[in-house]
Amino acid sequence: AQSVTQLGSHVSVSEGALVLLRCNYSSSVPPYLFWYVQYPNQGLQLLLKYTTGATLVKGINGFEAEFKKSETSFHLTKPSAHMSDAAEYFCAVSDTGANSKLTFGKGITLSVRP
Amino acid sequence: NAGVTQTPKFRVLKTGQSMTLLCAQDMNHEYMYWYRQDPGMGLRLIHYSVGEGTTAKGEVPDGYNVSRLKKQNFLLGLESAAPSQTSVYFCASSTTPGLAGVGSYEQYFGPGTRLTVT
Repeated sequence: AQSVTQLGSHVSVSEGALVLLRCNYSSSVPPYLFWYVQYPNQGLQLLLKYTTGATLVKGINGFEAEFKKSETSFHLTKPSAHMSDAAEYFCAVSDTGANSKLTFGKGITLSVRP
Repeated sequence: NAGVTQTPKFRVLKTGQSMTLLCAQDMNHEYMYWYRQDPGMGLRLIHYSVGEGTTAKGEVPDGYNVSRLKKQNFLLGLESAAPSQTSVYFCASSTTPGLAGVGSYEQYFGPGTRLTVT
């Protein structure tokens, strides 16, 4: 069975500071990995995904994540936080077979201080 | 192209009442999903469908029923609402995993329905 661990429920950074949101997963097969963002009162929007190939994945709004198989991690980073980045972020894992489904982490709320 | 839409956006029910949430997608996706989102719990899969006329249970199916009579629609029903079903419900859709290539594992989400059961 797959699982996703997002440590902590809330991260606060200053505008312009580095954003680092951690995600660790467990999967019995090579996984596909996703980060979704949810702005207040909205649905989830895909930020980026890792399927195969390059382990450093770039997404929208300046975010990127690196798949590290040895550490079973897929941490999300952004060099310089912007006020508009304040949202909830979900890491998710999927296996690669037919009828595969997403397993979500519990989410991390990012606050950005002026 | 509207993507995934959900009806209604908000609803308040009394305990024991029934209701149906409607999800519609215009992307010709085979797979559709219903999730519930609760604080500190992330998203949990209620039911899903791999094609018209088929449904399957997810992680938290109790108290819910679903139907997929048309490919573009996926209905979630609560026959007798309970306060524990107060939540935000999200519908999502995707192409068939493994069929159309790696991009098919991405799920597209609707805006959500906020349900309160008193």
